[in-house]
Amino acid sequence: EAQVTQNPRYLITVTGKKLTVTCSQNMNHEYMSWYRQDPGLGLRQIYYSMNVEVTDKGDVPEGYKVSRKEKRNFPLILESPSPNQTSLYFCASSLNGEQYFGPGTRLTVT
Amino acid sequence: SQQGEEDPQALSIQEGENATMNCSYKTSINNLQWYRQNSGRGLVHLILIRSNEREKHSGRLRVTLDTSKKSSSLLITASRAADTASYFCATDDDYKLSFGAGTTVTVRA
Repeated sequence: EAQVTQNPRYLITVTGKKLTVTCSQNMNHEYMSWYRQDPGLGLRQIYYSMNVEVTDKGDVPEGYKVSRKEKRNFPLILESPSPNQTSLYFCASSLNGEQYFGPGTRLTVT
Repeated sequence: SQQGEEDPQALSIQEGENATMNCSYKTSINNLQWYRQNSGRGLVHLILIRSNEREKHSGRLRVTLDTSKKSSSLLITASRAADTASYFCATDDDYKLSFGAGTTVTVRA
């Protein structure tokens, strides 16, 4: 089944403790992206990747890192999480503009 | 920056009625897409309309695009309870996708 998977789905952590949210797709898509969703703000793009080893900043990249060492995986790294990064995070992949979204990761930073 | 803005923010209709929502954006685009999100879940792609297209249909969905007014509309005909969801427009400009805050649609049985 064609899908985008994210792990973990739920995470509660403390300020400053590094964490990684994994994202994997099995559709051989070149384009992948990370978004955060906050009430009243819709989805905002954090980082995107056009292909392996090619990443670029979206609208809200501060406090986040990504890597794209292989086509199927695009992890999101929070080196030192802060409470303002509490949000619902979505990973997506795309072939011709149409984005396929993962189920989301709800992150709480206390 | 948030490119698209949906209007209205919320919409409540009776089953069988049509639902219309609008999206306005600020800068030129390659294409515009509409997505649906059921409560807290991932977004599902509904339809993509390219900047050189004016209207597109998919089942009960009809999307229009007016690039001169920088606006798009999504019409859902003969609504069903299962259409209850949030609907987002997204503008695509050189692989940066910008979403609006969404329209929450409630279909009453």
